[in-house]
Amino acid sequence: AQSVAQPEDQVNVAEGNPLTVKCTYSVSGNPYLFWYVQYPNRGLQFLLKYITGDNLVKGSYGFEAEFNKSQTSFHLKKPSALVSDSALYFCAVRDLSGYSTLTFGKGTMLLVSP
Amino acid sequence: KAGVTQTPRYLIKTRGQQVTLSCSPISGHRSVSWYQQTPGQGLQFLFEYFSETQRNKGNFPGRFSGRQFSNSRSEMNVSTLELGDSALYLCASSLEAEVLTGELFFGEGSRLTVL
Repeated sequence: AQSVAQPEDQVNVAEGNPLTVKCTYSVSGNPYLFWYVQYPNRGLQFLLKYITGDNLVKGSYGFEAEFNKSQTSFHLKKPSALVSDSALYFCAVRDLSGYSTLTFGKGTMLLVSP
Repeated sequence: KAGVTQTPRYLIKTRGQQVTLSCSPISGHRSVSWYQQTPGQGLQFLFEYFSETQRNKGNFPGRFSGRQFSNSRSEMNVSTLELGDSALYLCASSLEAEVLTGELFFGEGSRLTVL
């Protein structure tokens, strides 16, 4: 069975500082990996994905993520945080071996202080 | 292009009642998925439909059911509501060609409160 772990319920960072939101995954085959963001009282919005190729993936709003197969991780990063980045972030995985659904982590709340 | 539309946005029910939630996907999207979001459990997969067929089902009791119509609109139904069914129910759609590699487009959700 596939699974996603987001070890931090909340991440606090000051505006202008770099941010990292951690994600590790478990699948039996090769993974498709995704990051989504949820603003208050809204649905989820797609940020970026890793399918194949370059391990560093760039996405919306200046976010990027690095796929590390040996550590089974897909951490979300941004060089300089904005107050408007404050939101709930979800990592998700889909196993390539056979057809599977998208499994989400429990989410990490990012709070960026001015 | 209109996004994913979910109705109603908010509803309050009492235990034992049933509820039907509706989802209209983005035009051209034939794959529709449903998720339950709660603070303790995060996002949990309910079901996925494509061309009126349920393609996958999550680990929920039979009180949770769904269907998809020929116009790709989808409904989910929860019967004999329990307090623990209080949650945000999210619908997402995608193009079939991108259902594995592409992103899901989420609606804003239907927030169900069971009293």
